[in-house]
Amino acid sequence: NAGVTQTPKFQVLKTGQSMTLQCAQDMNHEYMSWYRQDPGMGLRLIHYSVGAGITDQGEVPNGYNVSRSTTEDFPLRLLSAAPSQTSVYFCASSYRERDGQFFGPGTRLTVL
Amino acid sequence: AQSVTQLGSHVSVSEGALVLLRCNYSSSVPPYLFWYVQYPNQGLQLLLKYTTGATLVKGINGFEAEFKKSETSFHLTKPSAHMSDAAEYFCAVSESGYQKVTFGTGTKLQVIP
Repeated sequence: NAGVTQTPKFQVLKTGQSMTLQCAQDMNHEYMSWYRQDPGMGLRLIHYSVGAGITDQGEVPNGYNVSRSTTEDFPLRLLSAAPSQTSVYFCASSYRERDGQFFGPGTRLTVL
Repeated sequence: AQSVTQLGSHVSVSEGALVLLRCNYSSSVPPYLFWYVQYPNQGLQLLLKYTTGATLVKGINGFEAEFKKSETSFHLTKPSAHMSDAAEYFCAVSESGYQKVTFGTGTKLQVIP
């Protein structure tokens, strides 16, 4: 199993550009989540999904969209990038909420 | 609403000394509690978890944690620190039946030779 994969590893955007961060898992997990990690702030939940076709907002959803058309994939879209979205983004998945999550290696995003 | 507090953003211990990383939580329902470790430039890895049952939980790499409901705590310990334990550690809480997970702000562990 590849586990949770994320692409790209690094990305530099200009203010106003849009892009999609890709996340995929091959463990048949129902639960998937996107977090951003900023120094001194831990991980903050952006959006999450409890199954294909079902998504909900987390703590910091503004400026981000998600969709879940398949169990395997959970892409995160930045609609119009802003410098405040400079961060490291992690995707995670789990079989059940009580199992703990598997994390991807992260995407380091810089918005100029 | 659930929340997590990790006391001490940086902790230094000598190699071979006891490791104690503190975590306190608030939750309106019985929680699920987790500790994760993050090595530089990597994603998070699950160390251990508490869901129900035994309150002393053993995890990987010799770590363990004890759920104390009366103190709303879930402190992480290891009897003897190793250089390879140097990393950042995150405590997390999830209310049972509720998928959202809340993370603490993390504690960076430094191990001094």
